[in-house]
Amino acid sequence: KQEVTQIPAALSVPEGENLVLNCSFTDSAIYNLQWFRQDPGKGLTSLLLIQSSQREQTSGRLNASLDKSSGRSTLYIAASQPGDSATYLCAVRPHSGGSYIPTFGRGTSLIVHP
Amino acid sequence: DGGITQSPKYLFRKEGQNVTLSCEQNLNHDAMYWYRQDPGQGLRLIYYSQIVNDFQKGDIAEGYSVSREKKESFPLTVTSAQKNPTAFYLCASSIYATEAFFGQGTRLTVV
Repeated sequence: KQEVTQIPAALSVPEGENLVLNCSFTDSAIYNLQWFRQDPGKGLTSLLLIQSSQREQTSGRLNASLDKSSGRSTLYIAASQPGDSATYLCAVRPHSGGSYIPTFGRGTSLIVHP
Repeated sequence: DGGITQSPKYLFRKEGQNVTLSCEQNLNHDAMYWYRQDPGQGLRLIYYSQIVNDFQKGDIAEGYSVSREKKESFPLTVTSAQKNPTAFYLCASSIYATEAFFGQGTRLTVV
């Protein structure tokens, strides 16, 4: 069964720092990996989707990389801002089984203080 | 605007009562999902549906029921058999295995 781990569980940094959030998964046979942001009491907002054939995706100050063979993805946030404070989750879709149901990590809670 | 709408935002359930959470999408997505989120835990899959009139149990389906009579709608009923229903419930949809989109969630509390 696929297991997804996110490290660190929590992170507090001063504004302006460049950040790296980690996501690891146990089964490398994945279809795609998606990064989400969740604000307190809200739903999940999709940030980036990386297909299994891709190495990275970029959107503004966000860059996500994927190393399928080692079972890792990283989300890089450049020049962090207080508005980036949220929980960041990754989800992995399996490549087999027919259902393609995503498995989620528990998230990294990020606080960026002014 | 295309998106997923969950209602209500807050819901209170009395002991022994069934309640239904609504999830509607106008994205023309075939697949829809229900997740439960508890503090400090990841998202756990309750039910999913990949096509109208078909749905499958997820990891924690006991005490819940769903229907998928229309492509746009995937309501979740929390029955009295669910002994610990207080949680944040999230509905999502996608086109097959592509990018998933989520609603804003329903917070259910037992009173």
